[in-house]
Amino acid sequence: DTGVSQNPRHKITKRGQNVTFRCDPISEHNRLYWYRQTLGQGPEFLTYFQNEAQLEKSRLLSDRFSAERPKGSFSTLEIQRTEQGDSAMYLCASSVNLAGGPADTQYFGPGTRLTVL
Amino acid sequence: SQQGEEDPQALSIQEGENATMNCSYKTSINNLQWYRQNSGRGLVHLILIRSNEREKHSGRLRVTLDTSKKSSSLLITASRAADTASYFCATDEMMGGGADGLTFGKGTHLIIQP
Repeated sequence: DTGVSQNPRHKITKRGQNVTFRCDPISEHNRLYWYRQTLGQGPEFLTYFQNEAQLEKSRLLSDRFSAERPKGSFSTLEIQRTEQGDSAMYLCASSVNLAGGPADTQYFGPGTRLTVL
Repeated sequence: SQQGEEDPQALSIQEGENATMNCSYKTSINNLQWYRQNSGRGLVHLILIRSNEREKHSGRLRVTLDTSKKSSSLLITASRAADTASYFCATDEMMGGGADGLTFGKGTHLIIQP
């Protein structure tokens, strides 16, 4: 399967714990995006990478959230001191774009569903 | 914040009928994309239409874009039970330059009755 993959698919944690999600984009896609989706809503942008550089972060991304893409391939999203309000589906997407160019087709992974008890 | 607004929020039709969903947005865009999402799953890309295009087809899908009205429509012809899903429009805002990712609406939940 050469699509975007995400692990784990489901995560249940207790409030206050740290969690980390992984996203493997489509090979050679230079852009990688993280979104969050709550029930009944569309996805909301969190952050994106152009290769290994994190170029933009939404104001939704509080200080408890951190994302990395160390070698410009896979990415991790960590949430520290989780809160019940963090419960959501976390989606990763990747695309091929020229630097500074408009977004092109983004291909989404299956998502990681986080439940904070 | 969510820019797009899909209309209707929910739509139920008989198999074989056509389904039309609309999307309105607020700012100037580079392109607009439609995605499908089955319950609890990831998003599947359906079609991308650029700001200088007015209509695009892909199989049973037809998308129109009216930048003067800041609106788009998605038509699914000869619907099938497998088309049951939520459909989202997503815009790439011109000022964002891709930096803000896509801005999604709340979606239209489509149910195809067999």
